[in-house]
Amino acid sequence: GDSVTQMEGPVTLSEEAFLTINCTYTATGYPSLFWYVQYPGEGLQLLLKATKADDKGSNKGFEATYRKETTSFHLEKGSVQVSDSAVYFCALSDPTQKLVFGQGTRLTINP
Amino acid sequence: NAGVTQTPKFQVLKTGQSMTLQCAQDMNHNSMYWYRQDPGMGLRLIYYSASEGTTDKGEVPNGYNVSRLNKREFSLRLESAAPSQTSVYFCASSEWAGRENIQYFGAGTRLSVL
Repeated sequence: GDSVTQMEGPVTLSEEAFLTINCTYTATGYPSLFWYVQYPGEGLQLLLKATKADDKGSNKGFEATYRKETTSFHLEKGSVQVSDSAVYFCALSDPTQKLVFGQGTRLTINP
Repeated sequence: NAGVTQTPKFQVLKTGQSMTLQCAQDMNHNSMYWYRQDPGMGLRLIYYSASEGTTDKGEVPNGYNVSRLNKREFSLRLESAAPSQTSVYFCASSEWAGRENIQYFGAGTRLSVL
């Protein structure tokens, strides 16, 4: 079945550092791709999305590009802040429109 | 501006006890979902309901039952709780629109089974 693999965490960075969280997927169809973020004590919320190849999703300074040739959707941010500390989940929508999640990457930003 | 509301937020059960987790959404969404979140395993789908009156099994349905009471409410029942069901449970809702299925999540129920 469809699956999503994220880079292992936890990831710890200093404020203003560059962030990359890798995400690759396996899918039989042509999925839409998502990044969700979970702040401490809260549920998941959509961070950004892309529905077709070469689309770039962006929000709050984060970006990710749908790369069909490498089956990837890596999350990037040029300058992270302490408030970006959270758990990040990559996900795809499978042919029945259910979401398949990666295992999550915990990000901690130190001042 | 409630979105998806889950109750309770925390619960401790003894092995063999039963309980129902409640979920309600006010966005008029057709689809609702129950997930469990365990360390290092992401979110796994327990059950989902594509529309009022329908429910289907997800990846890990054993030990759970669900009821789609109406369009707003989707409950998850543990008939005889086991320690393996210690987890954080999330309810979500969505409305499909073409290739977009954006799910909106509740704040979660943290369940411990002793």
